[in-house]
Amino acid sequence: AQSVTQLDSHVSVSEGTPVLLRCNYSSSYSPSLFWYVQHPNKGLQLLLKYTSAATLVKGINGFEAEFKKSETSFHLTKPSAHMSDAAEYFCVVSDRGGGNKLTFGTGTQLKVEL
Amino acid sequence: DAGITQSPRHKVTETGTPVTLRCHQTENHRYMYWYRQDPGHGLRLIHYSYGVKDTDKGEVSDGYSVSRSKTEDFLLTLESATSSQTSVYFCAISESDPWSNEQFFGPGTRLTVL
Repeated sequence: AQSVTQLDSHVSVSEGTPVLLRCNYSSSYSPSLFWYVQHPNKGLQLLLKYTSAATLVKGINGFEAEFKKSETSFHLTKPSAHMSDAAEYFCVVSDRGGGNKLTFGTGTQLKVEL
Repeated sequence: DAGITQSPRHKVTETGTPVTLRCHQTENHRYMYWYRQDPGHGLRLIHYSYGVKDTDKGEVSDGYSVSRSKTEDFLLTLESATSSQTSVYFCAISESDPWSNEQFFGPGTRLTVL
């Protein structure tokens, strides 16, 4: 069985400061991991994905995430937040044991203040 | 943006009435999915399809049925709507299995059941 836990439901940062959104996962198989972003009243958009290649994954808009198997984590980071980063972020896990299905975390709402 | 449309975008209905939501894609992707999004739950899979006339249940399928008679269309039907089905519904598509592949999401349908 697969599961994912997003450790913070809300994160607030100042513009220009680093962003850290935390995600832990559980998987019976080698997982694929994704981060999706949802801006208000929009559908979800893929930021980045890990599929057993390089453990440090670079995504769009300056985001990156590091797969750490020993810690079962896949935290999302960005060196410098921008106002346009304010959105909800979802960590997602998929493994072969889960079939053709993704399991979504409950989301982290990122607020960026001036 | 991936060519995915959902209709209607907003609907208000009464308890006990049937409701059908439509997802239409122009990408010729094999897989299509219906999710619901509720606060504190992230996205949860209702049903998915892996080809024309091939569908399977997700984790919250009770009270919902689906049909896919053409590659481009995936219909979600609430057989007898209840207030607990008030939610935002997202359709998604993927070219192949989601274990390592991106899902593309539609803009969502906001359904209110009174």
